Amino acid sequence: EPEVTQTPSHQVTQMGQEVILRCVPISNHLYFYWYRQILGQKVEFLVSFYNNEISEKSEIFDDQFSVERPDGSNFTLKIRSTKLEDSAMYFCASSDPIAKNIQYFGAGTRLSVL
Amino acid sequence: GESVGLHLPTLSVQEGDNSIINCAYSNSASDYFIWYKQESGKGPQFIIDIRSNMDKRQGQRVTVLLNKTVKHLSLQIAATQPGDSAVYFCAENSGYGNKLVFGAGTILRVKS
Repeated sequence: EPEVTQTPSHQVTQMGQEVILRCVPISNHLYFYWYRQILGQKVEFLVSFYNNEISEKSEIFDDQFSVERPDGSNFTLKIRSTKLEDSAMYFCASSDPIAKNIQYFGAGTRLSVL
Repeated sequence: GESVGLHLPTLSVQEGDNSIINCAYSNSASDYFIWYKQESGKGPQFIIDIRSNMDKRQGQRVTVLLNKTVKHLSLQIAATQPGDSAVYFCAENSGYGNKLVFGAGTILRVKS
C-alpha cells in the first residue's frame, strides 16, 4: 500500500540552527501539507502546497518556515532558526486530486530543540 | 473562530463492546468531517469521512453520525478489539487548500 514517508524519524538540534524535514508524498498525489503536534496536544495545520506554491498557511507558519518541492518527489519543511518552542512532531500529509479532503499522513519527525 | 473539540478525553471499554466517541464542532461551513486514529509513535490514520450533506456513513465495523443541528459528530466502533486502542481525532475540512482542523483527541482503551 502506498504511504507517505518522512525522514529523519528523530531530529535533535541546537536552538538557532536550521533544520530540514523531508517527506516523500504518495506518488500520484498533488496536494501536500505539513502539520505539527506538540506533545499531548492536538494536531495543528502549518501549510498546504499545490502546483508548486503555498495554498494556505497558518499563523504558526511565519517567515522562519519555508517549504519546497525540489525534485518532483520530495517535499521539505525548513525551519531557519529553531526555537525551543519548535519542539514537536511534524507530520507531512498528501491527498489526491479527487478525494482531496482525505489526507494521508506520514509517521512524523520528532524535532527536539535543545 | 473555528474549532473542533471533544467531549470525553478518555474512554475505556471492554473488548467486544461497542465504543462511541463524540466530537463537537463550531464551523457550520465545513464540508467534510473525518475521523483519524493515531497509535503511539505513528501518524494519524484515516478511518472514515462524511460529507456535510449526509447524516450517517458506515464502514467496516465503524459508523460515523453527523448531526448538523447540534454540530455533533460521533464515531461508533462495533465489537471493539484491543487493536482499536489509540487516540481518535475528529477533523473538519474547511477553506481553500483543504486544511484539516483537528479536535483535541479521545484516548480509547480496550480492556481484555
